[in-house]
Amino acid sequence: SQKIEQNSEALNIQEGKTATLTCNYTNYSPAYLQWYRQDPGRGPVFLLLIRENEKEKRKERLKVTFDTTLKQSLFHITASQPADSATYLCALGRGLRNQGGKLIFGQGTELSVKP
Amino acid sequence: NAGVTQTPKFQVLKTGQSMTLQCAQDMNHEYMSWYRQDPGMGLRLIHYSVGAGITDQGEVPNGYNVSRSTTEDFPLRLLSAAPSQTSVYFCASSYSIGTGSTEAFFGQGTRLTVV
Repeated sequence: SQKIEQNSEALNIQEGKTATLTCNYTNYSPAYLQWYRQDPGRGPVFLLLIRENEKEKRKERLKVTFDTTLKQSLFHITASQPADSATYLCALGRGLRNQGGKLIFGQGTELSVKP
Repeated sequence: NAGVTQTPKFQVLKTGQSMTLQCAQDMNHEYMSWYRQDPGMGLRLIHYSVGAGITDQGEVPNGYNVSRSTTEDFPLRLLSAAPSQTSVYFCASSYSIGTGSTEAFFGQGTRLTVV
């Protein structure tokens, strides 16, 4: 069955460093991959989407890479700040019209950025 | 513009009771989904809809019913609540760009406890 794994449940880094989160998947052929941020007691908030034919996407201090051969995405936060502390979720979608809105999520990585 | 609105925010049910979790969106999105989130397991898809009158099952549909009579509303019904349904429930909506969907917008969640 399809499976998505994020590299670790928790990641602790020092302020100013680059945080790198990993998302690996098996038994799935996604058309796109998304990253979300979730704060305690809140719903996930969309950050970035990268399509299967794209290698890299950037948005301000965020960078996502997508390697469909390795079946892996890396999510980077450069110059991290304590305000970046949250749980980050990756999600895959097939891009088929009859499966619109159907996302498969990883279990999330809790990032803690220390001052 | 309220986005995705879920009610109630908190609910306690007794085993065997039924209830409906409400979800409404005001963005005219064609796709809507229900997820449940349990500790360490990420978000799991319960049911999803690609438009009014069209619904389909996700990963964990047993014990839940849905219907979509309008574009705006997508209620989730628990037929006979069980303690295993204790969870946080999220509703999401998204729109289509060409084939498939794009970023998902989530509600604030409903925290359900079944005793």
